[in-house]
Amino acid sequence: GQQLNQSPQSMFIQEGEDVSMNCTSSSIFNTWLWYKQEPGEGPVLLIALYKAGELTSNGRLTAQFGITRKDSFLNISASIPSDVGIYFCAGLPMIKAAGNKLTFGGGTRVLVKP
Amino acid sequence: KAGVTQTPRYLIKTRGQQVTLSCSPISGHRSVSWYQQTPGQGLQFLFEYFSETQRNKGNFPGRFSGRQFSNSRSEMNVSTLELGDSALYLCASSSGRMEQYFGPGTRLTVT
Repeated sequence: GQQLNQSPQSMFIQEGEDVSMNCTSSSIFNTWLWYKQEPGEGPVLLIALYKAGELTSNGRLTAQFGITRKDSFLNISASIPSDVGIYFCAGLPMIKAAGNKLTFGGGTRVLVKP
Repeated sequence: KAGVTQTPRYLIKTRGQQVTLSCSPISGHRSVSWYQQTPGQGLQFLFEYFSETQRNKGNFPGRFSGRQFSNSRSEMNVSTLELGDSALYLCASSSGRMEQYFGPGTRLTVT
C-alpha cells in the first residue's frame, strides 16, 4: 500500500489563484518527484528534487524538498484552467537496494470552480 | 528524443486468459519499471528491470511477470487474468537512479 500521505485529496481552483499541496511520509526519501496526470494519459514529470531543502521552479510551479527528507510541497501560482488534472508526489527511498521503486501519494485532484 | 511508448493502448480480455504488454523506453535508458494504477489502490510498483535483470519486485502475485530485452524494451505478462486485474498499466524509463518518465499506459479491461 501507499506510504505517502498527500493532501488535499481534491481542490477547486479559480483562475489567478495560488494553490498548494503537500506530501508527508514516515520514511526518509532520497528524491522527490512531482507528476501531473490528465485523463487517459500517463503521469508527466513536472519537477524533480534531490537535496533536502532544495527549492525548484518550473514556470508557475515551485516545489520544495523538506529538510527532514520526509515531506515535500508543490505550489502552483496564478492558476489557469489547464492546470486541471491529478497531481502526484512520488518518493525514491535512500536505500540503494530499492533501485527505482517509486512510492506514490494518493494524488490531489485539481478542479475548476464552477 | 522520442518518449516512452506502450502497446497496445487498450485491451479487453476475458477472465482466465493471459496478456502481454510491451514498453519501449526512451533511447539510452536502461531501467524500465512497471506500475499498476487503479482507482482503489492508486499507483503501485510491479517490478523494475535493468540491463535485462529484474532488480526489484513489488507485492504482486506470481501471475505477474516481466522481462527485458537487450535493446532495453520490456514486456510484462499477466496469466490467468482476474477481474481485479483491470487497470491502467504504466511503464516508466530512467537513465539512472533518478527521475522516471512514464508512457501513456495500457488500459486493460478484464470481463
